[in-house]
Amino acid sequence: EVQLVESGGGLVQPGRSLKLSCAASGFTFSNYGMHWIRQAPTKGLEWVASISPSGGSTYYRDSVKGRFTISRDNAKSTLYLQMDSLRSEDTATYYCATGAYGFDYWGQGVMVTVSS
Amino acid sequence: EIVLTQSPTTIAASPGEKVTITCRASSSVSYMYWYQQKPGASPKPWIYDTSKLASGVPNRFSGSGSGTSYSLTINTMETEDAATYYCQQWSSTPLTFGSGTKLEIK
Repeated sequence: EVQLVESGGGLVQPGRSLKLSCAASGFTFSNYGMHWIRQAPTKGLEWVASISPSGGSTYYRDSVKGRFTISRDNAKSTLYLQMDSLRSEDTATYYCATGAYGFDYWGQGVMVTVSS
Repeated sequence: EIVLTQSPTTIAASPGEKVTITCRASSSVSYMYWYQQKPGASPKPWIYDTSKLASGVPNRFSGSGSGTSYSLTINTMETEDAATYYCQQWSSTPLTFGSGTKLEIK
């Protein structure tokens, strides 16, 4: 059974950093692209970043480019999102996701609140 | 960026009623993906490659479309179908989602 478990969320002040993790199991992690998607409270879904199976290619939405870094450790089957210079508009539930046909599998999500 | 516009934003349907949700793309996309989300839960894959049902999705659901116009249809609405549905495109980055259609039971 595929499982994606996010961790690392919490309350952080504007301008500070936070690192999210997503532990994967139940599939060959190194074969799949991985993604972070977020959802602000009462809002819709917003793609944040993606990384290729090898980690050699990364993609970001413009609003997080230069502030967020997606990475992966295939030996540990873990996906990361380093979030720096956080802003109030980054407040959201962050999901990791993967799949062969779209976002087939989602984690339970982790809440990030950016507030002073 | 490809903008996906869903309509309606909210719809209420009675059990047994036929429901159609549309998703229009600002530029042509190859396929459309749909996700179902219920309150407090993670989104679930619902339809992929425009018309293929994800595992476990009842066959009263269907998807269709091409180019810039896509739709999700429920042939006969059931109470368990009440949820928010999002369309999503993979044709170009940034990957984008529609703003969602909230489907309620009348």
